[in-house]
Amino acid sequence: DTAVSQTPKYLVTQMGNDKSIKCEQNLGHDTMYWYKQDSKKFLKIMFSYNNKELIINETVPNRFSPKSPDKAHLNLHINSLELGDSAVYFCASSQGGRELFFGEGSRLTVL
Amino acid sequence: GQNIDQPTEMTATEGAIVQINCTYQTSGFNGLFWYQQHAGEAPTFLSYNVLDGLEEKGRFSSFLSRSKGYSYLLLKELQMKDSASYLCAVIDSNYQLIWGAGTKLIIKP
Repeated sequence: DTAVSQTPKYLVTQMGNDKSIKCEQNLGHDTMYWYKQDSKKFLKIMFSYNNKELIINETVPNRFSPKSPDKAHLNLHINSLELGDSAVYFCASSQGGRELFFGEGSRLTVL
Repeated sequence: GQNIDQPTEMTATEGAIVQINCTYQTSGFNGLFWYQQHAGEAPTFLSYNVLDGLEEKGRFSSFLSRSKGYSYLLLKELQMKDSASYLCAVIDSNYQLIWGAGTKLIIKP
């Protein structure tokens, strides 16, 4: 079984559209994250959730909104997509501040 | 500000040894990770150091010196499959994870 799974793996859409990426972890971890990795390969933290509470929210536009129905799921919803949103988005989870386990990534292309 | 420095790219020969350095300036320190990321794939965990010294795990070893703000990842008996990016990340005093930009390692036959 995949520990951290995210869908879809590939997403191509037009500017201005709204899209969602789903993430689920079956590791029983208490913290989940969303990262953005752009063409320069920097991993930038977007959000993290600990027991359904948002504990990090970096300077991310409010077009991005995380949704966590329970501690095994952290979905990412993006409104009014822009060209600069094109990137690979990684979901990850961890327990007790230890190593992160990443999902396979969702490659978003905005045309 | 917080900063993590790693070389952008390194080249090594199959069967050889390579050392990838990482220096950091962060507000506090609560541990350092090394991750491997193959092109088009997710990062995968390699090692975690929180105390000074060397941690060995098979062909890979990671070293930490907290007083110098320095770590290195040592890869021995290099194989072609070791071609990847290697990411250094530090946990700061607020338990936030600060990532380096990664070092792209190219292995040549």
